[in-house]
Amino acid sequence: DSGVTQTPKHLITATGQRVTLRCSPRSGDLSVYWYQQSLDQGLQFLIHYYNGEERAKGNILERFSAQQFPDLHSELNLSSLELGDSALYFCASSPWVAGFYEQYFGPGTRLTVT
Amino acid sequence: KNEVEQSPQNLTAQEGEFITINCSYSVGISALHWLQQHPGGGIVSLFMLSSGKKKHGRLIATINIQEKHSSLHITASHPRDSAVYICAAPNRDDKIIFGKGTRLHILP
Repeated sequence: DSGVTQTPKHLITATGQRVTLRCSPRSGDLSVYWYQQSLDQGLQFLIHYYNGEERAKGNILERFSAQQFPDLHSELNLSSLELGDSALYFCASSPWVAGFYEQYFGPGTRLTVT
Repeated sequence: KNEVEQSPQNLTAQEGEFITINCSYSVGISALHWLQQHPGGGIVSLFMLSSGKKKHGRLIATINIQEKHSSLHITASHPRDSAVYICAAPNRDDKIIFGKGTRLHILP
């Protein structure tokens, strides 16, 4: 158990809808990273927050947004969903502000868009 | 060309064999990670390397900063080592770049 929690575990929704994925980091970790893993693309970095501020942005679509709240949990919002958004979404937490020195992964949320 | 390249893509071996998975990168990195993803989907960070060599049980990871190359070795491989192994590193903009993974299958 990494200490990182993600909810929900599974999510099935229709095209055009909007969903929110939630991540609670390990106690004391200020960094939260979001990743997408689809069958054809593999793991891709979406975005990194540290203590409420955006630190780095990867291949995150404009339809997607994220934020980190004062209690350090983070939410990833996906809107106008398309079939191609079906994927596993992982978050990971770290005590580091940058540099990718430690990563503790959550169990993931499996999103299916029908 | 991906900034982080892994080989082989797939590897099947007999139990007990010595396994090597390679990772080459073109980005300037602060640290490189080896990750393990089991069939259930969960991801575990095995090693974080910025130089030299690290060992944990039957797993050994090495990195050569000058050659921009890292290897993950498994000694006395076991069917429970069957998983996807992924290397990953941040580029200069702190964007994490992942290799496409090596699917390892150890036969009993």
